[in-house]
Amino acid sequence: NAGVTQTPKFQVLKTGQSMTLQCAQDMNHNSMYWYRQDPGMGLRLIYYSASEGTTDKGEVPNGYNVSRLNKREFSLRLESAAPSQTSVYFCASSEPRGKGETQYFGPGTRLLVL
Amino acid sequence: AQSVTQLGSHVSVSEGALVLLRCNYSSSVPPYLFWYVQYPNQGLQLLLKYTTGATLVKGINGFEAEFKKSETSFHLTKPSAHMSDAAEYFCAVSEGWGGAQKLVFGQGTRLTINP
Repeated sequence: NAGVTQTPKFQVLKTGQSMTLQCAQDMNHNSMYWYRQDPGMGLRLIYYSASEGTTDKGEVPNGYNVSRLNKREFSLRLESAAPSQTSVYFCASSEPRGKGETQYFGPGTRLLVL
Repeated sequence: AQSVTQLGSHVSVSEGALVLLRCNYSSSVPPYLFWYVQYPNQGLQLLLKYTTGATLVKGINGFEAEFKKSETSFHLTKPSAHMSDAAEYFCAVSEGWGGAQKLVFGQGTRLTINP
C-alpha cells in the first residue's frame, strides 16, 4: 500500500516552460487535492476534486490547471511557469466527512522556476 | 471564510519540557480541526483530529489537543519533549460538507528541541 505518490520529486524549469505534476493514490478515496507550500504561509489549496469527473478551484488557482484522470490519478499542470510558482507542491487524498475526514499527503514535488 | 492562526512561528523547548503549540481558528460552522506534523523533506502526517464528541483528543507520539469552543482554540501539548519531536507543526480547519474536505492551514510552527 503506497498511499499517495507524486512524480517528479524535484524539477527545475525556465520561465515560460510547461510541466505536469503527477499524483496517484491507492486508498480508493473519492477526493483529491493539490496544495502549494511556501515559507511562512502554510499550505494553500490550489485545486481539488471532490469525486471522479469533478474539479474545483481552491484559494490560489491562477496559473494552474488540473485533470482528474480517473479515481486514482489527479494531475496538476503549469502551462507557462513563472518564478512565483517556485514552491513545494503536495497532493493529498481524503476520506469523506463523516467517514474519517483524514487527508493523506504525498511526499511532495519541489519546483524551482528560473 | 475559515481561518487559522498559529501563535509563534518558532518554538524552542528543552528535552523533557512541556510542549505547547497554540492554534486559534475562526469558523462559521462547527469545525473539524486537525494537527499535522512535517519532518524535513517529507509530506504531512496526521497527529490528531477533532470532529465531534470528546473535546480532549489524543494523537500519536504522546501529543494531545483540547478543543475549546468558547476560546476558538485547539492548542497542541505534549508533557515531555523528545529530540525526535523536532519538526514543523500545522494546525488546520476543514471546510466542506459531504465529499471534499478542503483544509485551511495555519502558517506553521517550527519546534526545536534543545538537549
